[in-house]
Amino acid sequence: DTEVTQTPKHLVMGMTNKKSLKCEQHMGHRAMYWYKQKAKKPPELMFVYSYEKLSINESVPSRFSPECPNSSLLNLHLHALQPEDSALYLCASSQGVAYTEAFFGQGTRLTVV
Amino acid sequence: KNEVEQSPQNLTAQEGEFITINCSYSVGISALHWLQQHPGGGIVSLFMLSSGKKKHGRLIATINIQEKHSSLHITASHPRDSAVYICAVRWDTGNQFYFGTGTSLTVIP
Repeated sequence: DTEVTQTPKHLVMGMTNKKSLKCEQHMGHRAMYWYKQKAKKPPELMFVYSYEKLSINESVPSRFSPECPNSSLLNLHLHALQPEDSALYLCASSQGVAYTEAFFGQGTRLTVV
Repeated sequence: KNEVEQSPQNLTAQEGEFITINCSYSVGISALHWLQQHPGGGIVSLFMLSSGKKKHGRLIATINIQEKHSSLHITASHPRDSAVYICAVRWDTGNQFYFGTGTSLTVIP
């Protein structure tokens, strides 16, 4: 299994809602990443987890809260988002942060209304 | 500032044409990915390169470490190749990937 699975594929939420994005991999990878991609722009790194510990937070607003409950699962909790947070949220994993090959999920298309 | 630059930004080709997309980067890397993204879709990794050349079907990727440059070639292009192609690098000193701005390819039947 060489897949990174993200759910849901699409999400529409109001500015007062709380929702979560989920990312799962069963490749035994110990590094997992969240990226945000706006239309016609390259992905931008948000968070990196290494061995279930947050190792990089790229100055992301606190309305985005990552969580890595185990080595296979990465969540992104969303609360009080703004319409400008609407984007494609991509998850990726690699064997470790020093390993060079990454695997990407299909993304969650988020719309904040 | 570490940078990844791609060219061209947009490319339109006739079906069957040979296509080349270029990626240049500013400092040493440990790996370079070529990625494909269809409209509204997630990212598929086509190749990971640290040296030399790789081929998969109609796709060929090359990298020249000394010149800090990589190319993605598509032979006998097909309309289903229409997508955005993104170059992503992992710097020697970093533990994350940095992405180029992408090349939007349209192949016309």
